[in-house]
Amino acid sequence: AQKITQTQPGMFVQEKEAVTLDCTYDTSDQSYGLFWYKQPSSGEMIFLIYQGSYDEQNATEGRYSLNFQKARKSANLVISASQLGDSAMYFCAMREGKDSSYKLIFGSGTRLLVRP
Amino acid sequence: DAMVIQNPRYQVTQFGKPVTLSCSQTLNHNVMYWYQQKSSQAPKLLFHYYDKDFNNEADTPDNFQSRRPNTSFCFLDIRSPGLGDAAMYLCATSAGQLAKNIQYFGAGTRLSVL
Repeated sequence: AQKITQTQPGMFVQEKEAVTLDCTYDTSDQSYGLFWYKQPSSGEMIFLIYQGSYDEQNATEGRYSLNFQKARKSANLVISASQLGDSAMYFCAMREGKDSSYKLIFGSGTRLLVRP
Repeated sequence: DAMVIQNPRYQVTQFGKPVTLSCSQTLNHNVMYWYQQKSSQAPKLLFHYYDKDFNNEADTPDNFQSRRPNTSFCFLDIRSPGLGDAAMYLCATSAGQLAKNIQYFGAGTRLSVL
């Protein structure tokens, strides 16, 4: 069975600094997808970034980048130039299922607090 | 220009009183999902629709049902809510294509059971 592990329950970062949120995964599939979502206290899940297992380049979306190390089965999220609005829960997730209506397997999340 | 809309944002119901949560989407996506997220936990998939095809997760209690009358709308029915059903309920949609198949979530409905 597929599994996502986030070992950091909580993280602090100073405003304007970069922060890395860890994510490791376990799967026997050759083709898979990894996602990061942000969940503010309001509750909505906001898609941040996606990495496909066959993507040769690390994914980037604005201040978000994904440090994908396939051999180590890690997909860490890097947030550059942290802002106060980045304070939220962050979930790493993996796509499970090979058909078009896949489901997401989520990690336990990391709560990030940005200090002014 | 919200794309996945959940109503209401907050719902209070009484123990055992049926409740319906609503989700609509303007993305014209094939797939609609319902997740349950309890406090300080990760979301857990309850079921999903691919078009009209319903797919139930094996461990979803019978107390939870869903309806999808058309592409745009999907409902979550809790027939007899218990105290353990208090949670955030998240609706998501995806286009149903294999490559970079992003799930987009609504803002959620926070359910309280008294």
